[in-house]
Amino acid sequence: SYVLTQSPSVSVAPGQTARFTCGGDNIESKAVHWYQQKPGQAPVLVVYDDSDRPSRIPERFSGSNSGNTATLTISGVEAGDEADYYCQVWDSSIVVFGGGTKLTVL
Amino acid sequence: QVQLVQSGAEVKKPGASVKVSCRTSSYTFTSYGITWVRQAPGQGLEWMGWISARTGNTKYAQNFQGRVTMTTDTSTTTGYMELRSLRSDDTAVYYCARVTIFGVVPNWFDPWGQGTLVTVSS
Repeated sequence: SYVLTQSPSVSVAPGQTARFTCGGDNIESKAVHWYQQKPGQAPVLVVYDDSDRPSRIPERFSGSNSGNTATLTISGVEAGDEADYYCQVWDSSIVVFGGGTKLTVL
Repeated sequence: QVQLVQSGAEVKKPGASVKVSCRTSSYTFTSYGITWVRQAPGQGLEWMGWISARTGNTKYAQNFQGRVTMTTDTSTTTGYMELRSLRSDDTAVYYCARVTIFGVVPNWFDPWGQGTLVTVSS
């Protein structure tokens, strides 16, 4: 079965750039979607189809996908960005989630 | 705006069943699907399956095959997820989400319901 690998945690200071990687075999051949989940809340879509943003999501959020790694980038991190971030793909009609990365804003 | 509102928290005994509802509004129900994802305490997201609201076709994750049934009611634009033979490790928050579909291909999940806590305890 297809596996998505995410680092458990990322820590950055306010104003810096946070990068979240999502590793998978030839992941560039798949559409990657990213979700943000704040404590006690439901997940929210922040990037879809590798690099598109829902209209309500700030331009600070961006995505890319190449080779075996997809990346979500948050520029100018704010305290309110502290959350868990999950990547997701479809593989053979099945959904696969990464294990999630916890963002800590120092 | 598009909303998915789920039914309230449930407490069930081992071996029982639970049925969670997901009432939708402000979009064309049959143009999308509904997916169900659960999250055990302190854990990540676990996909359970999805249903096309237009066709009623379903796809379930292997972990839940034979134990879960997903349905929709187009007259009330509501989705349902029933999980049977509950065990203590089914204790989790259960989320529904709208699935964007292109042709017959499902894509991303947006928006999500607020979640329903299901507690399984004797």
